[in-house]
Amino acid sequence: DAGITQSPRHKVTETGTPVTLRCHQTENHRYMYWYRQDPGHGLRLIHYSYGVKDTDKGEVSDGYSVSRSKTEDFLLTLESATSSQTSVYFCAIKSGTDGNTIYFGEGSWLTVV
Amino acid sequence: QKEVEQNSGPLSVPEGAIASLNCTYSDRGSQSFFWYRQYSGKSPELIMFIYSNGDKEDGRFTAQLNKASQYVSLLIRDSQPSDSATYLCASNQAGTALIFGKGTTLSVSS
Repeated sequence: DAGITQSPRHKVTETGTPVTLRCHQTENHRYMYWYRQDPGHGLRLIHYSYGVKDTDKGEVSDGYSVSRSKTEDFLLTLESATSSQTSVYFCAIKSGTDGNTIYFGEGSWLTVV
Repeated sequence: QKEVEQNSGPLSVPEGAIASLNCTYSDRGSQSFFWYRQYSGKSPELIMFIYSNGDKEDGRFTAQLNKASQYVSLLIRDSQPSDSATYLCASNQAGTALIFGKGTTLSVSS
């Protein structure tokens, strides 16, 4: 258990509405990540953070923003949700040991209708 | 573009057999390689990582790395029905996020 909690775990929202997913970790890890997973595409990096207020874009960052005001929380925001953002979203942290392995949260299932 | 390639499968093996999962990567700067297992509806969980050429064994699992060929594999000995899952290969360079392959689905029949 990497001490990662994602919320909400399941959400259905309407096109055009803003959505925020929260990732909370309890072990003071510096690096946190947001991935999305879709059939045929695998896991793709959206954004990541390497410290409080330090974030950077990943492969599929368009339409997403992130914030990290505290070490323990990494928020992913869809400013105006679209159907193409229907996906499973995984938060992850990087362990300082274990060869810099990343560990995943349980996932957030988002459906945009 | 940095890529990790896996055969999507499904790979089907009988119970007790050896399952061999393969992965190639495009970025010669990649330093570490990871195998994750993902059951349907669950998050990926780490099986093992490898960063040196050769073999690394952990129980029934053996990871093999050949940097010259840019090839990583995972062998599962004595495959069990509970090993049926999607296996994800990933690579990274120092200081970057993991890049994942699309995964190989393994089915172990009893």
